[in-house]
Amino acid sequence: ETGVTQTPRHLVMGMTNKKSLKCEQHLGHNAMYWYKQSAKKPLELMFVYNFKEQTENNSVPSRFSPECPNSSHLFLHLHTLQPEDSALYLCASSQDFRGTSGKSSYEQYFGPGTRLTVT
Amino acid sequence: GQQVMQIPQYQHVQEGEDFTTYCNSSTTLSNIQWYKQRPGGHPVFLIQLVKSGEVKKQKRLTFQFGEAKKNSSLHITATQTTDVGTYFCAGPTTDSWGKLQFGAGTQVVVTP
Repeated sequence: ETGVTQTPRHLVMGMTNKKSLKCEQHLGHNAMYWYKQSAKKPLELMFVYNFKEQTENNSVPSRFSPECPNSSHLFLHLHTLQPEDSALYLCASSQDFRGTSGKSSYEQYFGPGTRLTVT
Repeated sequence: GQQVMQIPQYQHVQEGEDFTTYCNSSTTLSNIQWYKQRPGGHPVFLIQLVKSGEVKKQKRLTFQFGEAKKNSSLHITATQTTDVGTYFCAGPTTDSWGKLQFGAGTQVVVTP
């Protein structure tokens, strides 16, 4: 499956480093998402973008900074992370949800994820 | 807040046996989705159920949406080693457009 790609696939960074995660979707979608998946925890939604506009920030610490320059690309900029931020970071995309009743949703297509380790 | 709960958390199955995993929402859902994540992989969309009481089949997998649209189940018959993975259900939240609330998943282990 190459509909949603993520780079890098693995990242090890120190707490003082700055790095960025990249996500690209080739499905013609207009909504994109960042999720965090830690061991033994449910998928945690971090950010939602719809038509390049951020529609959801799920109380994410400011050391995570998203950027969505267009509907096909999504970045997650990382700065001064903590060891507890080590996790699998997943990007997903879906059809846009502008004009819906707000109670429906489209299926989401996930990328392979970036396995992040903060030392 | 809205919660989506899945039981069991772990399911050990002998190859060839059947099993069912359940998903329960604290609120009525407009639809429910199921995803599968293989070990070391990422969640992959399996199916979406929309209608009350809807039943859909995908080969050995049978998905059902409850009459009250607050629960769902996934039944797998004649389990194979390829069924190994974590199965998540997810429903749209009521507070934000496009946002899915995922359950914690059922991790399925198949022994030959």
